[in-house]
Parts: sequence; structure tokens; C-alpha cells
Amino acid sequence: DVKVTQSSRYLVKRTGEKVFLECVQDMDHENMFWYRQDPGLGLRLIYFSYDVKMKEKGDIPEGYSVSREKKERFSLILESASTNQTSMYLCASRWAGGGETQYFGPGTRLLVL
Amino acid sequence: AQTVTQSQPEMSVQEAETVTLSCTYDTSENNYYLFWYKQPPSRQMILVIRQEAYKQQNATENRFSVNFQKAAKSFSLKISDSQLGDTAMYFCASGPDYGQNFVFGPGTRLSVLP
Repeated sequence: DVKVTQSSRYLVKRTGEKVFLECVQDMDHENMFWYRQDPGLGLRLIYFSYDVKMKEKGDIPEGYSVSREKKERFSLILESASTNQTSMYLCASRWAGGGETQYFGPGTRLLVL
Repeated sequence: AQTVTQSQPEMSVQEAETVTLSCTYDTSENNYYLFWYKQPPSRQMILVIRQEAYKQQNATENRFSVNFQKAAKSFSLKISDSQLGDTAMYFCASGPDYGQNFVFGPGTRLSVLP
């Protein structure tokens, strides 16, 4: 079974802190994604990586950066957390190619005070 | 720009009955895929069913089936013989044949009542 894990289920941070969210997948997937999930808005893509050290901006990249130094690990970084970044963050991975299923992690619920 | 709309924020159904969740989409892609994902309470999101847009035959997976109307850009999910374990948020999504531009709808919260 594909396994996608995220470093924390719940996180509480203060405004201005630097926040790291980590995601690890064990299926050698080329593609990895970071989404933000908010009620009534569904999932919105923050960043996408199609290979090691390769990344592309999604729909809402402002205030976020990412790092993918190894194929299995994709990190989301909030350089200076703000209250409007309080949300659920979901990581996903998949094989490259059209129509491939995305496999999701359990999510990290981040609260920024 | 791609969009996915789910017009039913919440629905409920009695156990063992059938329910249909609606989804409409808009895309400029020539070929694309459509997905239904399920997110149970406090659990990971998983794929329910997938449809390739160039295939006319509606996809089915056990109790789950879709009604894909390409011209109308409609992709509804039918759940037959609903079970308590079907209680979840259901997200409709579209994605291109190549690339990463997946778009998710806002979700429908389905409650299966005993």
C-alpha cells in the first residue's frame, strides 16, 4: 500500500514564526503536491514538484516556499507565518502521467496565533 | 481557467438507500480526467472513482458509479446501498491528461443515517 506521511497532525505557531511541514512518501512517486484545504473552498494547490529539486507554483503560492532535495520528501515552508495561513494542509503524491491517482497524507492542521 | 462546482454543501441519506452527488466542471483541456475523492472524518482522503473524458462508458466501482455527461460537463456520483462507512466529505476534481493543474470542488458533506 502507498503510504504518505506528514510530520505533524496538529501544529500551533505564533505570527512571524518560520514553519516547516514535511511530507514523505514511500512509493517512489515522481510527483508531489501541497494543498491547502479550507471549508467551502475545497483543496487549493500551493506548490507542485514533478521531480527532485523541481517545483512549480500552484494557485496560491504567496507566503509559501517548498523544498524537494530527495525524491521521497517534499517540504512546505511558511517563511513568516500569518493568521490567514491557519488551515489544513494536505500533501499528496502520484506517479507521473495523465490520470494517475493522487495519494494523500493525513493532513496537518495548523493554527497560527 | 478550470473550475469545479458542487452545488450541494450537505446531503443525508438513509442506510441502504441510494444517493447522487452532483458535480459540474469547466475545462479548456482537450483530454482530461475526472475524479471523486472521499475524506472520512479525521481520516485520509482516498480515491473513490475515476473517469477518462474520452471514454463514453461510465465508470463503476462496486456500489459507486458515475453519470458522465461530457456535453453538459456534468459528473455526478451515485452511491447505491449506502453504508454508515460512506459518511464523509466527497470532493469532485478534474485534472489534465498531462500536467498538474488539478482543480477540486468545494466538497459535499454526506451523512448516512442509521
